[in-house]
Amino acid sequence: DADVTQTPRNRITKTGKRIMLECSQTKGHDRMYWYRQDPGLGLRLIYYSFDVKDINKGEISDGYSVSRQAQAKFSLSLESAIPNQTALYFCATSDLTRPYEQYFGPGTRLTVT
Amino acid sequence: RKEVEQDPGPFNVPEGATVAFNCTYSNSASQSFFWYRQDCRKEPKLLMSVYSSGNEDGRFTAQLNRASQYISLLIRDSKLSDSATYLCVVPDTGGFKTIFGAGTRLFVKA
Repeated sequence: DADVTQTPRNRITKTGKRIMLECSQTKGHDRMYWYRQDPGLGLRLIYYSFDVKDINKGEISDGYSVSRQAQAKFSLSLESAIPNQTALYFCATSDLTRPYEQYFGPGTRLTVT
Repeated sequence: RKEVEQDPGPFNVPEGATVAFNCTYSNSASQSFFWYRQDCRKEPKLLMSVYSSGNEDGRFTAQLNRASQYISLLIRDSKLSDSATYLCVVPDTGGFKTIFGAGTRLFVKA
């Protein structure tokens, strides 16, 4: 089984809808991240969490919120989806001792119409 | 200057060729660097970590030039399976996050 899983893998939604993307990991890592990837722009950090009680904004957090329900679970919400949030979203984890060596989930392809 | 810059490519090379990519970074205080590989529509996967002047793993060699602030990835004896996008990653100034380059695309042809 995969160490980092994401659900759903694909989602099409309409403008204004609320949507939640979920991430679970079995690696036992404390640190978890949410990124979005757009063509030509690379991965951009949305939010990151160092433990259940520590959540931080990344470079593009506007329009997004997160919840760290447990060490193993980190969800990303779009409160009111807009078309420019159409992107590939990745969850990642890392260990405290090697924080930059990150392990990614398979991604969620989100389309907002 | 962007924090991490890469030549987007694509690099088109025949099987067996040697190919090298460069990545420039702006934070002169960075101490560690990373190369990730991403196949089309898949998640990035760590390829190599560079904590000193360089690292070698089989056909792959990563080298660091601190004076000019760039890292390179050299792939020898290219295989069809090496076709992917290669992402350069550098920790940010605060040291808590990673900055990803936009990636260099490589196509290896038979």
